[in-house]
Formats: sequence, C-alpha cells, structure tokens
Amino acid sequence: DADVTQTPRNRITKTGKRIMLECSQTKGHDRMYWYRQDPGLGLRLIYYSFDVKDINKGEISDGYSVSRQAQAKFSLSLESAIPNQTALYFCATSDLQAGTSYNEQFFGPGTRLTVL
Amino acid sequence: RKEVEQDPGPFNVPEGATVAFNCTYSNSASQSFFWYRQDCRKEPKLLMSVYSSGNEDGRFTAQLNRASQYISLLIRDSKLSDSATYLCVVNSYTGGFKTIFGAGTRLFVKA
Repeated sequence: DADVTQTPRNRITKTGKRIMLECSQTKGHDRMYWYRQDPGLGLRLIYYSFDVKDINKGEISDGYSVSRQAQAKFSLSLESAIPNQTALYFCATSDLQAGTSYNEQFFGPGTRLTVL
Repeated sequence: RKEVEQDPGPFNVPEGATVAFNCTYSNSASQSFFWYRQDCRKEPKLLMSVYSSGNEDGRFTAQLNRASQYISLLIRDSKLSDSATYLCVVNSYTGGFKTIFGAGTRLFVKA
C-alpha cells in the first residue's frame, strides 16, 4: 500500500462548488504539505503543517483552506472553486532529520482537479 | 526574477551521454537543497539531497555553489530510463519556512 494517499484522484466540478481533497499518510511524519502544479510553473506551496496544532500559509493560500484532523490526515478545501484553480494537486509529508535542515518530502500520487 | 530558476530544456541526448543541469536561487539564506525527479503525470520523487561538499550517488553527482547561488546535477552514462523532468528544490527557514520548486528541466534520452 502507498505511504501517502490522496482522494479523489480525479475530480471535475463547476465554478462555485465547494471541494475537499483529502490526504492520508502511514509514514508517521509530523509535517504535511499541499501543493499545486501548473504547466511551466512548477509546484507551489499552498499550506503546510508541522504538527497537528500547526497550520501555515504557503505561497498561494488565497481561495484555499486546510484542516489537520490528525497526524496522518491533512485535507485541502476550495470553498468556492474557480476555473483558475484547475491544476494538479499534490500532498506531501516529511520528517526533519535530527540536527539538520534537511527534510525529504514524500509525495502522494496527485489529484487532477478541473473546474468548469 | 523567479526565486528558483532552471533551464526548461528540453535536453535531448543519446544513451551514454553526460548531461548537466543548473539551478540558480535568489535567497542567500537558503539552507537545504534537493534534486527531485518527476515522470510524466506522476508525483515527484527525491533523487538526491545536495550537500555543501558535493555528493555522488552512482551516475549522479550534485554540487552546491553558495557563493554563486546555484546547484548542479550531472548525469553520466545516460540511460533511456533517465528520461524525466528534474526539479530543483530550495528550502529556507529564516523568517519562516519556505520551500521553492524550480519549474523543472525536461530530459529526453534516446537510443
């Protein structure tokens, strides 16, 4: 079984609808992240959480919200979806290596979201 | 100017060739550096962390030049299976955590 799972894998929705993307991990990591990927722009960080009680905005948080329900679960919501939120969304987890600033991120398989 | 910049390519090379990618970053306070590999429509996967002294893993060599603010990835003896997009990633913690992905360099290795 995959260590980081995302549901749904594909979603088509209409403008104005509320959408929730879910992420679960079995790696036991404290840190979780949500990114979106657009052609030619690379991955951009939406929100991140370093533990269950910690939520931080990333580079492009407007129009999104998150909930860290447990160490293993981090969900991303689009309160009122708009077409320019059409993208590939990735969840990731990491655990900081003790004594370093290095944290390898492990990604889920992605959710392809289309907003019509 | 983007915080992390990569040559988008594509790089088209024959099997067995040596190919090098560079990635420049603008934040001098950046602290950790990585190369990820992403296959088409798949999730990124860590290829290598990049350490100050440089590091090698089989056919792959990564270098960090803090003075000039760039990291590099060298692939020797390219294989068909190396065809992918290579993403450089730069993290900083000063003034709050930031992780910035480059847009990626596309590599095609042909027989």
